[in-house]
Amino acid sequence: AQTVTQSQPEMSVQEAETVTLSCTYDTSESNYYLFWYKQPPSRQMILVIRQEAYKQQNATENRFSVNFQKAAKSFSLKISDSQLGDTAMYFCAFMKLTGSARQLTFGSGTQLTVLP
Amino acid sequence: GAVVSQHPSRVICKSGTSVKIECRSLDFQATTMFWYRQFPKQSLMLMATSNEGSKATYEQGVEKDKFLINHASLTLSTLTVTSAHPEDSSFYICSARLGQTRRDTQYFGPGTRLTVL
Repeated sequence: AQTVTQSQPEMSVQEAETVTLSCTYDTSESNYYLFWYKQPPSRQMILVIRQEAYKQQNATENRFSVNFQKAAKSFSLKISDSQLGDTAMYFCAFMKLTGSARQLTFGSGTQLTVLP
Repeated sequence: GAVVSQHPSRVICKSGTSVKIECRSLDFQATTMFWYRQFPKQSLMLMATSNEGSKATYEQGVEKDKFLINHASLTLSTLTVTSAHPEDSSFYICSARLGQTRRDTQYFGPGTRLTVL
């Protein structure tokens, strides 16, 4: 079974600064996807970024980028130029690619608050 | 693209009644949809995996007779909470799997807050 660990329950950052959210995972799979989702106060889950494990290059989406360390089973999210709208709960998630179900395993989440 | 709707967004019902929640993929076909439950300030807990045209697969500890799932088409899955009780009050979220080669991703509905009086 897979486990996803987010060791930072809460974090805060000043507007326009950079913040990094940590995520580690445990798996025996060699091929998988990793995701970061955000859940703002509206509670709508929004996909932030996706990383395929077979790719060595770190994924980036505008101000969001990841540091994917496959050997260390680490998948951190960096948010640059933080904006007030980035305030949300952030969930790291793992998807194994064996089997047809393609279920997600979520971490416990990190509540990020961007301060004005 | 990849929009998922959920209806209703909020529902209040009396104990003992049944409540149906709909999940629709609006601009793509989803052979697989997922149902989650989320308690305040907690992560999402997978309840069941819903496959179009077949029986849902329930996670351990989830009562299949209480949480009825129907995935009758490639764009619609429903969750019916039967004989609801106050302990069933929660936030229910569905997701739909967009399963393209190397782009396999779940997209989420906005959730349904169920309150059972």
